[in-house]
Amino acid sequence: EAQVTQNPRYLITVTGKKLTVTCSQNMNHEYMSWYRQDPGLGLRQIYYSMNVEVTDKGDVPEGYKVSRKEKRNFPLILESPSPNQTSLYFCASSSPSGGTDTQYFGPGTRLTVL
Amino acid sequence: ELKVEQNPLFLSMQEGKNYTIYCNYSTTSDRLYWYRQDPGKSLESLFVLLSNGAVKQEGRLMASLDTKARLSTLHITAAVHDLSATYFCAVESNFGNEKLTFGTGTRLTIIP
Repeated sequence: EAQVTQNPRYLITVTGKKLTVTCSQNMNHEYMSWYRQDPGLGLRQIYYSMNVEVTDKGDVPEGYKVSRKEKRNFPLILESPSPNQTSLYFCASSSPSGGTDTQYFGPGTRLTVL
Repeated sequence: ELKVEQNPLFLSMQEGKNYTIYCNYSTTSDRLYWYRQDPGKSLESLFVLLSNGAVKQEGRLMASLDTKARLSTLHITAAVHDLSATYFCAVESNFGNEKLTFGTGTRLTIIP
């Protein structure tokens, strides 16, 4: 089954404690992206990657890091989380050569930073 | 900077009625997407509109794109309760990097 998976699905942590949210897709997609969703703000892009070892900032990259060492994985790293990073996070993937370019979204990770 | 505006933000309508959600965007783009999100769930792709004049229909939902007016509409025909959800439009930038800018969403509630 074609899918995007994220782990963990729920996470409560404290300020300053480094964490990683993993994202994996099994569709051989080149493009992957991270979004955060906040009430009244819709989804905002954090970082994206066009392919392995190619990443770039989205609209709200401050406080986040990413890496793309393998095509299927695109982890989101919060080196020193702060309460304003409490949010719902989605990973997405797509393929420019896939025809419709539809972005497939993961199930989401709800992060609370105390 | 690409900006995407949806309206209305909230919509409560009776079953059986028709209504339209509007999505305006600020800069040139040829690709527009509509997504549905149920409470506590991820985003589900509804439509991909790739050219001016594109029209897609699935069941009671129909989406259209006017790139000259920078406007897309999502029309709901004879609404049923199952269509209650939040609907997002998203516009892809024309820079070839597949970056999506989302509208803030329309929360649709269908009242029996």
